[in-house]
Amino acid sequence: SAVISQKPSRDICQRGTSLTIQCQVDSQVTMMFWYRQQPGQSLTLIATANQGSEATYESGFVIDKFPISRPNLTFSTLTVSNMSPEDSSIYLCSVQRTDTQYFGPGTRLTVL
Amino acid sequence: ILNVEQSPQSLHVQEGDSTNFTCSFPSSNFYALHWYRWETAKSPEALFVMTLNGDEKKKGRISATLNTKEGYSYLYIKGSQPEDSATYLCATDAGGGADGLTFGKGTHLIIQP
Repeated sequence: SAVISQKPSRDICQRGTSLTIQCQVDSQVTMMFWYRQQPGQSLTLIATANQGSEATYESGFVIDKFPISRPNLTFSTLTVSNMSPEDSSIYLCSVQRTDTQYFGPGTRLTVL
Repeated sequence: ILNVEQSPQSLHVQEGDSTNFTCSFPSSNFYALHWYRWETAKSPEALFVMTLNGDEKKKGRISATLNTKEGYSYLYIKGSQPEDSATYLCATDAGGGADGLTFGKGTHLIIQP
C-alpha cells in the first residue's frame, strides 16, 4: 500500500488567484498522478508526473493552467492558476504500487 | 479513453439487506478493472483489481465479478451495515496503470438503520 498526504485539505479562493497543492508519499515512486472531480462528474486525470521530466497532460488540460512540479521521488505539487468558479473541485494525487493506484485524501477547492 | 458508466447513481438500502450495483465499460483495449470505496474527506480505498474474464474477488462482505467480453462488473454487498455508506467507484485501466485510470461517476450508497 501507500500512505499519501495532501495539503491543504480544503481552501476557499478568490477568482483570478492561484493555489498550490502539495502531495507527499511515504516512499519513492516513479509516477505520480493528479486527478480532479468537479461536482457531479467523475474523477478525471489531469496529468502524470515523472521525476526528472515534464508532466504529461491529458486532453483538455494545459501546463499554463495546471503547472506541476516533481522535485523528487516522494513529492509533487499541482498549481491551479488564474482560478475561476469552474475550477471548484476535489483535487487528488495518486501513485501506482504493483497493480493498484493509491490516492491521497484530496484537496477540496472552492473558488468564489 | 474508455467510457465507464455506473448504475444506479444513488441507492438507499435498509441495514441488513444485500445490494449490488453495476459498472459498464467498453470491452476493447481493456487491461484491468478497479473498484474503490470513497468516504467524504478520506482517501478512496482500493477494494479490488480484476483483470481476467470470469474473475470473482471477495473482501469480507463485499465481492465483485468481472465479464470482460460483455464489458461489465458487479459489486455485491451482503448484509449491509451503516459503515458501508460511501460512494463506490469503478475505473478501467488500459495500460497497466501507466496511463492513469478512467473512472465512472460512482454509486452513492446510503445504508438506513
